[in-house]
Amino acid sequence: DTGVSQDPRHKITKRGQNVTFRCDPISEHNRLYWYRQTLGQGPEFLTYFQNEAQLEKSRLLSDRFSAERPKGSFSTLEIQRTEQGDSAMYLCASSTGTFGKLFFGSGTQLSVL
Amino acid sequence: AQTVTQSQPEMSVQEAETVTLSCTYDTSESNYYLFWYKQPPSRQMILVIRQEAYKQQNATENRFSVNFQKAAKSFSLKISDSQLGDTAMYFCAFSTGQGGSEKLVFGKGTKLTVNP
Repeated sequence: DTGVSQDPRHKITKRGQNVTFRCDPISEHNRLYWYRQTLGQGPEFLTYFQNEAQLEKSRLLSDRFSAERPKGSFSTLEIQRTEQGDSAMYLCASSTGTFGKLFFGSGTQLSVL
Repeated sequence: AQTVTQSQPEMSVQEAETVTLSCTYDTSESNYYLFWYKQPPSRQMILVIRQEAYKQQNATENRFSVNFQKAAKSFSLKISDSQLGDTAMYFCAFSTGQGGSEKLVFGKGTKLTVNP
């Protein structure tokens, strides 16, 4: 059990650029979640995969955001045409199936200049 | 919509003492799940304790216990024998479990500092 891994740990980009984050869940976990956390707030749900199927998306996930989980393994979260309001910590979590016991990664901190 | 409120932005406690963090929530659902997660400076969220609403008995995990008051929609976390390693942000979270999704709604968090 190597834990949930997220890459990169930090990303600085200019407004209007595209960015992509990667999440590697714990290998036997079939559920994968993306959350966004802004300063002084708790994490907010973005989207959820069971295996390769994206089962739920938050209204927070605008058309500029897209997430994939090919073959039900790692996942990517892409943000197109970044805006300053996208600056946040993007957290990935995977699940054992014990309800609510999510294993989180250390997040990707995005700063949009 | 479900909401979770943590009214204490910051708290501090002396090492070895007991501290209680407050959480209230709002929902019209009859069955749901409640959680406390810890986020240390390393940023990695860790599950501390979970409670299923249909269970009347309060959950306990070693030094951590909850006081679940369903009618009052209150879910407080008690940390006994506080340790320096308990210093972290603590988030209360809620889930209905609809569709099998573990989508969590989090509060804004309480920053706990344990002083030596």
